[in-house]
Amino acid sequence: QVQLQESGPGLVKPSQTLSLTCTVSGDSVTSGGYFWSWVRQPAGGGLEWIGRIYTSGSTSYNPSLNSRVTISLDTSKNQFSLRLSSVTAADTAVYYCARSFYGSGSLSLDDWGQGALVSVSS
Amino acid sequence: QSALTQPRSVSGSPGQSVTISCTGTSSDVGVYEYVSWYQLHPDRAPKRLIYDVSKRPSGVPDRFSASKSGNTASLTITGLQTDDEADYYCCSYAGAYPFVFGTGTKVTVL
Repeated sequence: QVQLQESGPGLVKPSQTLSLTCTVSGDSVTSGGYFWSWVRQPAGGGLEWIGRIYTSGSTSYNPSLNSRVTISLDTSKNQFSLRLSSVTAADTAVYYCARSFYGSGSLSLDDWGQGALVSVSS
Repeated sequence: QSALTQPRSVSGSPGQSVTISCTGTSSDVGVYEYVSWYQLHPDRAPKRLIYDVSKRPSGVPDRFSASKSGNTASLTITGLQTDDEADYYCCSYAGAYPFVFGTGTKVTVL
C-alpha cells in the first residue's frame, strides 16, 4: 500500500519560492508506468492540478503556472518535490501530492497524500 | 481551461440516493473517456472513487457509481451513509491539461 506524505514550510513570504517535498513509501518513484503530480486547493476553493513528473524525469505543467513551477525527482530519497517561485497571497493553499498509474491506459490520480497547508504572508 | 461545472451542494437522508452532475464541454468530458471522481474529507487524504468514467477501484463500495452522457458526467451515491458527508470533485482529461477539476459539490447527509 503506497503512502505519500507532503512536507515543507507552512509559511512563505511574498515574492519568495515555495518548496514542498513528497516522501513516498511502499513504492519507488522510479516504478515503471507511474507519474507523480502536485495538486492544490485554496481555502474555500476548488482543486487545481499544478504539474507532474514521470519516472524518466519528463515533466508537464499547468500552463497557468508554467513559468513559475518546477517539479523534480530525488530517487535516492524516494521523493519528488515542488518549487513555485514568486509567490503571492493567491498561492496560499493546501498542497497535495499524488500518484497515477498510466500503464494500463487509464488516467486518474490514484493515491494522494493528506496535504500540507502553505500560507503566503509577510 | 475552465473548471467543470458541478452543483454547489446536494443533500439527502440516510439510505437515500443522490446524484452529482459534472458538466464540461466537447473539449474535455464530451470527448475523452477519462473522467474521475474524488471524495475529500477534512483531515483525510483525498480518495479516488471512480476512474475512466465508470470504473471503481478495489475497495470502493458499489454504492458509488458513475456514468457519462455527452458533455455531462454523473456520480450517484446510493444508500447514503453519514460518512458520505464530504466534498466531491469530478475531473477530466482535456488535452493540454491532463487534469481539469470540477467546481466541487458538498454532500450533506440530513
